[in-house]
Amino acid sequence: GAVVSQHPSWVICKSGTSVKIECRSLDFQATTMFWYRQFPKQSLMLMATSNEGSKATYEQGVEKDKFLINHASLTLSTLTVTSAHPEDSSFYICSAREGIRVSNQPQHFGDGTRLSIL
Amino acid sequence: AQSVTQPDIHITVSEGASLELRCNYSYGATPYLFWYVQSPGQGLQLLLKYFSGDTLVQGIKGFEAEFKRSQSSFNLRKPSVHWSDAAEYFCAVGAGGNKLVFGAGTILRVKS
Repeated sequence: GAVVSQHPSWVICKSGTSVKIECRSLDFQATTMFWYRQFPKQSLMLMATSNEGSKATYEQGVEKDKFLINHASLTLSTLTVTSAHPEDSSFYICSAREGIRVSNQPQHFGDGTRLSIL
Repeated sequence: AQSVTQPDIHITVSEGASLELRCNYSYGATPYLFWYVQSPGQGLQLLLKYFSGDTLVQGIKGFEAEFKRSQSSFNLRKPSVHWSDAAEYFCAVGAGGNKLVFGAGTILRVKS
């Protein structure tokens, strides 16, 4: 149980294009999803918290106009990297948390998306 | 502020040997603690979690972890390591709201 599907698994695109990444909870409802960025040989950095039906909460230093998050249903959140540039190249991972209580439910992670901007 | 320290960046153990990965956390209240494992190019898989109760927690793949409040530690252990356990391991604390705070990770290498 508690499977999170992330798509695409990798994408290569030209500088200036926008890229959409989908995160789906397949067998549970997730009122909250999270988007992380992971640089090579580093830990995960939380970018934003995505709440179903409301605006995402961005971490300090993350450009909300650059990284658009939409959480339109209890099973789907999307991250759109707008006008992507080479410095946006990274490994992006989403996670989803079951239930509505904060903190004490584990997050279940997708397999990540490798984004390469040429 | 919450923080997680994994003192060992790399650990190498022989197949069949025992394993202990260290994790120390900083948090004022009772933490929710997690261990995740990440294989190269993939997402994170939950190994085990501690919320309350028994301080020795059993997880998947034969892993266990022990919460020691006096030492602010949550070390991960496995009695006999298999080659397939080679991966990166992250300790995390869930505290105050929605966030997980991750440690820097420990890369486990298994030699045959």
